[in-house]
Amino acid sequence: LAKTTQPISMDSYEGQEVNITCSHNNIATNDYITWYQQFPSQGPRFIIQGYKTKVTNEVASLFIPADRKSSTLSLPRVSLSDTAVYYCLVGPLNNNAGNMLTFGGGTRLMVKP
Amino acid sequence: EADIYQTPRYLVIGTGKKITLECSQTMGHDKMYWYQQDPGMELHLIHYSYGVNSTEKGDLSSESTVSRIRTEHFPLTLESARPSHTSQYLCASSEPAAGSDEQYFGPGTRLTVT
Repeated sequence: LAKTTQPISMDSYEGQEVNITCSHNNIATNDYITWYQQFPSQGPRFIIQGYKTKVTNEVASLFIPADRKSSTLSLPRVSLSDTAVYYCLVGPLNNNAGNMLTFGGGTRLMVKP
Repeated sequence: EADIYQTPRYLVIGTGKKITLECSQTMGHDKMYWYQQDPGMELHLIHYSYGVNSTEKGDLSSESTVSRIRTEHFPLTLESARPSHTSQYLCASSEPAAGSDEQYFGPGTRLTVT
């Protein structure tokens, strides 16, 4: 499975756009990129998933360059409630071959007033 | 809102006791998972299941065991609890056939072994 690298932590202010980049240099052809958000004392929650180019939903955007060796999660106009840990996962979908996605350390985002 | 439940939410128990953490989901998902997470630390996959009668160990060695006799139920058992088992245990499920294989997490069980 592709190894991912993310910044350990980031700080931002309310109303700013936050971009969190994940590196995955050995991503495989059938791998997808998935981002989760985790608040303290809760389980992670799915945010967005993509394979290439750009994906947007009501929460975030995901930018994936042509070589797919990295991806950027973009959170528009963050608020204090976006303070959380964000995880980047890379791997195939519908994988029943015994390899499971791992969450890693994630990026701890702190949004300040 | 995901329909996945864990009981108990909090458990304080003495060393040497046998405990079972319950996890149930009403979504009919085939895949289920158990994760262990210490405060402020990484999530570690300790067990997973692809369906009934299928269980596998995850990337973190654990002294716990699991069973999957019914699709909706995936209990985790510790035969003899130790202080090193103190942690939060998170259960999740997903349905690969739905496309994204999105994992839905339960609220977790915070276990303290004294």
